Amino acid sequence: NAGVMQNPRHLVRRRGQEARLRCSPMKGHSHVYWYRQLPEEGLKFMVYLQKENIIDESGMPKERFSAEFPKEGPSILRIQQVVRGDSAAYFCASSPLRQESNQPQHFGDGTRLSIL
Amino acid sequence: DQQVKQNSPSLSVQEGRISILNCDYTNSMFDYFLWYKKYPAEGPTFLISISSIKDKNEDGRFTVFLNKSAKHLSLHIVPSQPGDSAVYFCAASPYSYGNKLVFGAGTILRVKS
Repeated sequence: NAGVMQNPRHLVRRRGQEARLRCSPMKGHSHVYWYRQLPEEGLKFMVYLQKENIIDESGMPKERFSAEFPKEGPSILRIQQVVRGDSAAYFCASSPLRQESNQPQHFGDGTRLSIL
Repeated sequence: DQQVKQNSPSLSVQEGRISILNCDYTNSMFDYFLWYKKYPAEGPTFLISISSIKDKNEDGRFTVFLNKSAKHLSLHIVPSQPGDSAVYFCAASPYSYGNKLVFGAGTILRVKS
């Protein structure tokens, strides 16, 4: 499967715990994006990363949320001290080039985070 | 501040007929527009896109029309098939602001056989 791989597909955490969501981009893609979808809403941009570099984090909450895309391994979205409002579907997308080449972003199947 | 709006939450169409999904945007800096289809428990799947230098792009049964002066785009599916039943998201990219996509809230399409 050469698509965008996200794991886990489902994650349950209690309030105050940490959640780690992983994303491996499509083969040959070096740009990763994270989006969050709340119930009955569209996807909302969170962060855009390249290897070892955060390009745009304008959609990230100021506290408790962080993202990284190390030189080796998947991109990680980390949520510390989770609260009920963090319950959502988190989608990762990847693309090979910047959008000036009109390359669409390809999405993984998401991680559904539930906070008890 | 909803920069991309899909005002129809749902649409029901008979198999074989045309489905027309609409999308309006407010940010004149958007210059690349995409349509994604999403099934439950899956990620969005890219369907078709259009650059602001064009007013129409066609790919098989799918055609996207862009009216820049009205800040409006539409997706036409013809003929509609039951497998087209899904949620359709319109998305826009403000190139000059980077690569993030701004999504509408989606339209649920039901194609009845």
